[in-house]
Amino acid sequence: EPEVTQTPSHQVTQMGQEVILRCVPISNHLYFYWYRQILGQKVEFLVSFYNNEISEKSEIFDDQFSVERPDGSNFTLKIRSTKLEDSAMYFCASLIRGPKDIYNEQFFGPGTRLTVL
Amino acid sequence: DAKTTQPTSMDCAEGRAANLPCNHSTISGNEYVYWYRQIHSQGPQYIIHGLKNNETNEMASLIITEDRKSSTLILPHATLRDTAVYYCIVREGDTGFQKLVFGTGTRLLVSP
Repeated sequence: EPEVTQTPSHQVTQMGQEVILRCVPISNHLYFYWYRQILGQKVEFLVSFYNNEISEKSEIFDDQFSVERPDGSNFTLKIRSTKLEDSAMYFCASLIRGPKDIYNEQFFGPGTRLTVL
Repeated sequence: DAKTTQPTSMDCAEGRAANLPCNHSTISGNEYVYWYRQIHSQGPQYIIHGLKNNETNEMASLIITEDRKSSTLILPHATLRDTAVYYCIVREGDTGFQKLVFGTGTRLLVSP
């Protein structure tokens, strides 16, 4: 069964450093998302991406964040200057948006745990 | 903000049916009820969704009351692997591309 993959599984960085989290969505999917989950808290929407542009972003997704689909297969989330409060699990998701069937839903990756020291 | 209320936690014996309730009293006519689950900090997993009719798939059944103000997710024969946090989400439309707004969910513990 096709799945969303994310790398790395765990990233440790120093405050102020830039990090890039990588996702490989399911190959024929067209919509892409990033969510995050701070330890012990809710899963929060960050951004959605379609047709090479951001469709929607949350208040969390400020100028320190950016997304890119550089080569038609990867989908990346960049945090320019990490803060302690960016420590969280970051989940990528993708969606095909086709005929109404069970696959017309967001498929999530296993997540990247980001630790900012 | 989440538009649903769910119990914080529930227990279920392995092999028994798990019935997870959800209240969504302010649901509007074009909003669907979705259920996702999250197993131990893994990515959330879609389970089922519905508008007003009861729905069933290979994972679960969804029972929506006639007034649509509440629903119940039923796992007919719970296994240990069903231990997870279950999220009831109300969302407009059924195309799936809108963002998901997660609440705190119900932590289901399935015991031997």
